[in-house]
Amino acid sequence: KAGVTQTPRYLIKTRGQQVTLSCSPISGHRSVSWYQQTPGQGLQFLFEYFSETQRNKGNFPGRFSGRQFSNSRSEMNVSTLELGDSALYLCASSFINSPVNYEQYFGPGTRLTVT
Amino acid sequence: QKEVEQNSGPLSVPEGAIASLNCTYSDRGSQSFFWYRQYSGKSPELIMSIYSNGDKEDGRFTAQLNKASQYVSLLIRDSQPSDSATYLCAVGGAGGTSYGKLTFGQGTILTVHP
Repeated sequence: KAGVTQTPRYLIKTRGQQVTLSCSPISGHRSVSWYQQTPGQGLQFLFEYFSETQRNKGNFPGRFSGRQFSNSRSEMNVSTLELGDSALYLCASSFINSPVNYEQYFGPGTRLTVT
Repeated sequence: QKEVEQNSGPLSVPEGAIASLNCTYSDRGSQSFFWYRQYSGKSPELIMSIYSNGDKEDGRFTAQLNKASQYVSLLIRDSQPSDSATYLCAVGGAGGTSYGKLTFGQGTILTVHP
């Protein structure tokens, strides 16, 4: 099975711009979670989508949003970029075969640099 | 208090030794526990999952869970230089506000020297 794919892998944007990142989960996985990883804060949960519905959201401002399509592919959008948004953005997919099984498999990430 | 805390590193062990990585968590409602390995410049890779108290072995890796003590650990036997990486402990809840959310520790850097 192919793993989780993310595009683009690298991105350089300017403050105030917006960006859209894409994630394709492992075939058959319907849950997609997004995380932000920075050296100072580590891995922080952004949000999770399942069957096109956002089920959970982390403590990030409204500039961070996402969506999921019927084929389980997901996108996240960051508007009005700030320097502090520079980070590795990771998406992870899960099969969810039980209420507590959240084995998540990560994609390679998108490295976003805001200048 | 951080939600998930890992033993401070970095941890350095000789090749062939046992590496012991520890993690404590604050939410008693946590249901699922994971260890990820992250090489420099790469994304986290799932290496172990554990849901019940006790030990779970997979090759050279053993995960141990004690829910009463809110403690989870990872032992790496016969450590190899290729095990040198950052190890992340992650904790999940059950449903509700825990949907799809793993809470990660800050990571422990492990170096295995020949």
